[in-house]
Amino acid sequence: AQSVTQLDSQVPVFEEAPVELRCNYSSSVSVYLFWYVQYPNQGLQLLLKYLSGSTLVKGINGFEAEFNKSQTSFHLRKPSVHISDTAEYFCAVREETSGSRLTFGEGTQLTVNP
Amino acid sequence: EAGVAQSPRYKIIEKRQSVAFWCNPISGHATLYWYQQILGQGPKLLIQFQNNGVVDDSQLPKDRFSAERLKGVDSTLKIQPAKLEDSAVYLCASSLVGGALQETQYFGPGTRLLVL
Repeated sequence: AQSVTQLDSQVPVFEEAPVELRCNYSSSVSVYLFWYVQYPNQGLQLLLKYLSGSTLVKGINGFEAEFNKSQTSFHLRKPSVHISDTAEYFCAVREETSGSRLTFGEGTQLTVNP
Repeated sequence: EAGVAQSPRYKIIEKRQSVAFWCNPISGHATLYWYQQILGQGPKLLIQFQNNGVVDDSQLPKDRFSAERLKGVDSTLKIQPAKLEDSAVYLCASSLVGGALQETQYFGPGTRLLVL
């Protein structure tokens, strides 16, 4: 069965600084990878997803992520964050043998300070 | 287009009471999911419906949780009786077809349950 580990539970950064949120996964089959964002008191919103092809994936709000199969990682990056990026970020994996079931990591709280 | 709707947004009950949550997916979406998100954890799938049939309920605690989607549109999740450890946010999501690996799930705002 697949599992997802988000290595940092909290990441504080200053506005306009770059940020990287780390995600590692474990699976014995091919996977599809997702990043979701959750703003306070809201549901999850898809940021980006990796299905196949180029390992560098660009998403909404200036975020991007790179799939590294050898390191089983899918880290999320943004070169310059804004106050409005403050939210909880979830990495999720879907195995090709598990239908549409998503397995989520425990989340990383990104706090952008002025 | 309208998103996934859930109600109520908040609910406080005492242990051993019953509670029900309602979800209306995006129009035309065949697949509906219920997730449980305990504080400090990622969402965990409880049950997945394809139209009005259950596809996956392997992680649903069936001794106290039940869910239905009778007409293949909206859905109800019930807990009876509730325990303290059921305190969580219950998220509903929907997708167009389901079973397609590249498909996106769209989430509602969730129902925050507190069991005292």
